[in-house]
Parts: sequence; structure tokens; C-alpha cells
Amino acid sequence: DAGVIQSPRHEVTEMGQEVTLRCKPISGHNSLFWYRQTMMRGLELLIYFNNNVPIDDSGMPEDRFSAKMPNASFSTLKIQPSEPRDSAVYFCASTLRAGNSYEQYFGPGTRLTVT
Amino acid sequence: GQQLNQSPQSMFIQEGEDVSMNCTSSSIFNTWLWYKQDPGEGPVLLIALYKAGELTSNGRLTAQFGITRKDSFLNISASIPSDVGIYFCAGLPPQQGGKLIFGQGTELSVKP
Repeated sequence: DAGVIQSPRHEVTEMGQEVTLRCKPISGHNSLFWYRQTMMRGLELLIYFNNNVPIDDSGMPEDRFSAKMPNASFSTLKIQPSEPRDSAVYFCASTLRAGNSYEQYFGPGTRLTVT
Repeated sequence: GQQLNQSPQSMFIQEGEDVSMNCTSSSIFNTWLWYKQDPGEGPVLLIALYKAGELTSNGRLTAQFGITRKDSFLNISASIPSDVGIYFCAGLPPQQGGKLIFGQGTELSVKP
């Protein structure tokens, strides 16, 4: 089975540009999470969805960040306009929420550099 | 919010040595997960723990869910060079849906 798929793997953009990160969760999983990882702050949860519905977006840094999940097999994280401090690795993770299972499976990440 | 204290931050060991790392919190957790992250990759799930006192092994890895539900440890026996990486603990607080809290990571270096 394919794992979580993220694209692009690397993105370099200039300050002020719009950036869209994409994620395809593991087939059959019903929860999806977006994380940001930096050296200073470690892994931070930005937002998560259950059954395509956003449940908690309290980790989204500001209004420049938005996320959507139009269907069970696709999600996007958009930054508009991007700033240098947004440079980080962005991970998507998915899980099958069933019973006590909360095991999240991560994608390979998108390394974003904003110059 | 709840925080996890993971220690040590880094370890430099000789191949063949055993490794131990742990995570502690002042609050209880319902689930503990241990992940390993290689450079340029996403975290990979190693072990999941669901019951206080539970001891689970995965090859040379052993993890335990602390009896107080406030801590967990991960042991690696007979380390090998491919064990190099960053190990993260993650805990699920009660009534937090699927929101995991992650430790800051333990960076493991193994000298052949």
C-alpha cells in the first residue's frame, strides 16, 4: 500500500508569492493532520480534519495560512502571501480513527524555503 | 497546554551499546507513540502503547507505557549504525481527539 504522499518535496519561492502544498492520505484513513517542523519549535500541529471536516485549526499561525480537504483523498495547505519565517518542513499525516487507535502515519514532507 | 519532556536531547554511543530514552509529563496520557525520523524524511512509527504498564517490543526496540500514565521509555538493544536518527515520543492526552503532543526529540549518533 502506498503511504502518505506529499508534493512537492521541495519548494523555493520568493516572499509574497502564494504556496500550495498537497497531500494524499493513506486510502481508508479518515483523519488528516498538517504539521510544521523547525529546529527552533520542533513539530507543531497546524490543523487536523476528521472525515474531511476541519476540527481544530488553533495551530494555524495566522490568516495567511489556510487548509482544505475537499474529499477523503486530497488536502491542501496554502500560504498567501508567503514570508521568510514560513521556511520549514511541512508534514502531512493520516490515521484511521477506530476504537483506541491514534497511530499517525507521516508523509515524506515538503521542504519550503521562502527567500 | 500539556508538554512532554524528552531526554536526553542527544546521545553519542558506540555500536553494540544499549540505548535508553524517555518522555515525562506532569499530565496523564491515554496513548504513547514512538517515532524515528531519518534526515530528509518524515517520522516513522516504531511502537504504539495503549495501556498503563504495557511493555511492547519491535525487534531490538522495547517501549513501556508508565504505570502512572505520565511517562514512557524506549530502549534500543545492541545498537547498529542504521539506528542513527532522531527519536520522538508522542502522547495523546485524554479528550483531545486525535491531537498528539510531541517531545522535542532525542538525536542518536552511533560510532561504528
